[in-house]
Amino acid sequence: SQQGEEDPQALSIQEGENATMNCSYKTSINNLQWYRQNSGRGLVHLILIRSNEREKHSGRLRVTLDTSKKSSSLLITASRAADTASYFCASEGGFQKLVFGTGTRLLVSP
Amino acid sequence: DGGITQSPKYLFRKEGQNVTLSCEQNLNHDAMYWYRQDPGQGLRLIYYSQIVNDFQKGDIAEGYSVSREKKESFPLTVTSAQKNPTAFYLCASSIRDSWGRRTDTQYFGPGTRLTVL
Repeated sequence: SQQGEEDPQALSIQEGENATMNCSYKTSINNLQWYRQNSGRGLVHLILIRSNEREKHSGRLRVTLDTSKKSSSLLITASRAADTASYFCASEGGFQKLVFGTGTRLLVSP
Repeated sequence: DGGITQSPKYLFRKEGQNVTLSCEQNLNHDAMYWYRQDPGQGLRLIYYSQIVNDFQKGDIAEGYSVSREKKESFPLTVTSAQKNPTAFYLCASSIRDSWGRRTDTQYFGPGTRLTVL
């Protein structure tokens, strides 16, 4: 399978704590993207990091990319109950399509 | 409102019947995609289209067919040849890179949950 892998599969934290999710992918990439999915809904794009970038911020989100290790991490700071969702990474390797990871289910308790 | 619509939200069919899922976008995007999601899993690509009247197979195209007669529309038919069609189906679109070499942000519809009885 070409699917990427995410770690952990599930994460449970309290409001105010930080949440870190990791993603590994298999081929060289042009960019790596992170998406969020609320239960039973479509995906929403969060952030994109290009292969020549190492770190990117957007609000409470921080993404890092290590192309030598073919890995990325997503950090959500000061989590809120509304952040409860599944998070997916997706790698873009130059064939005009995305390869999605298996996802991390995040539960943020009040 | 700009966006992607999928209909219906829930679909029930008997085994052996073909069924067509609708996907429409008014974002003026050239590229459109169909994904399948099984419970607790990531998305797997079924078919994608970079331009009208052209489409390519994704990783799990067997038992599915598509058409792209209009820029706005990319319907997916789940045929009776698909052995395990019960799943959540997601459609997406994106701006096509000028050189056709990469895709950036994809915009997703709300999905159709297909249950085959």
